[in-house]
Amino acid sequence: GAGVSQSPSNKVTEKGKDVELRCDPISGHTALYWYRQSLGQGLEFLIYFQGNSAPDKSGLPSDRFSAERTGGSVSTLTIQRTQQEDSAVYLCASSLSTGKETQYFGPGTRLLVL
Amino acid sequence: KQEVTQIPAALSVPEGENLVLNCSFTDSAIYNLQWFRQDPGKGLTSLLLIQSSQREQTSGRLNASLDKSSGRSTLYIAASQPGDSATYLCAVRSFSGGYNKLIFGAGTRLAVHP
Repeated sequence: GAGVSQSPSNKVTEKGKDVELRCDPISGHTALYWYRQSLGQGLEFLIYFQGNSAPDKSGLPSDRFSAERTGGSVSTLTIQRTQQEDSAVYLCASSLSTGKETQYFGPGTRLLVL
Repeated sequence: KQEVTQIPAALSVPEGENLVLNCSFTDSAIYNLQWFRQDPGKGLTSLLLIQSSQREQTSGRLNASLDKSSGRSTLYIAASQPGDSATYLCAVRSFSGGYNKLIFGAGTRLAVHP
């Protein structure tokens, strides 16, 4: 089947605007992760969803960031009042569940805040 | 706090060489370790996943080893090819780092020239 897909692939926005990034995980994968890859910062964890459990939001950098996962499948990461330091590649990954399974990553959304 | 370090940061080799990429982690209480490849402008491709109870995994020309007690993993690439040129990332899932997320190293940027 298809891999993890993300949209848009690129997004340019003005400082202060809100943006929404979408992730479609692999069908049947119950675990979904968001990571951010900033220039010079490496990959950092943002948020994790597992089934119907409460998400692990411990990696979200500020309250301007939020994410939801509807129906246990598609996830949306929302950044409100974007700042220039939010510019990064936002990567989504999914896995069958948690623990032993491999995480499969999408191609990412490249966000540029002007 | 779990920290992951990769050495070298960059590597340039002629085609055909066997090479070793190194990954070290500060907390040996890991659940598993995963090696990824990232091509420029692309997402991550999973190469090998080693569970904490395993010592190595092999896939084609790739072999990854894990020495949990010393906090080290190596990725061995045999008979390197120009198509192997990419950034290689090591990531661990550990209890101290947060069970639900991968902690990534900064990567080794590999260039294999003909």
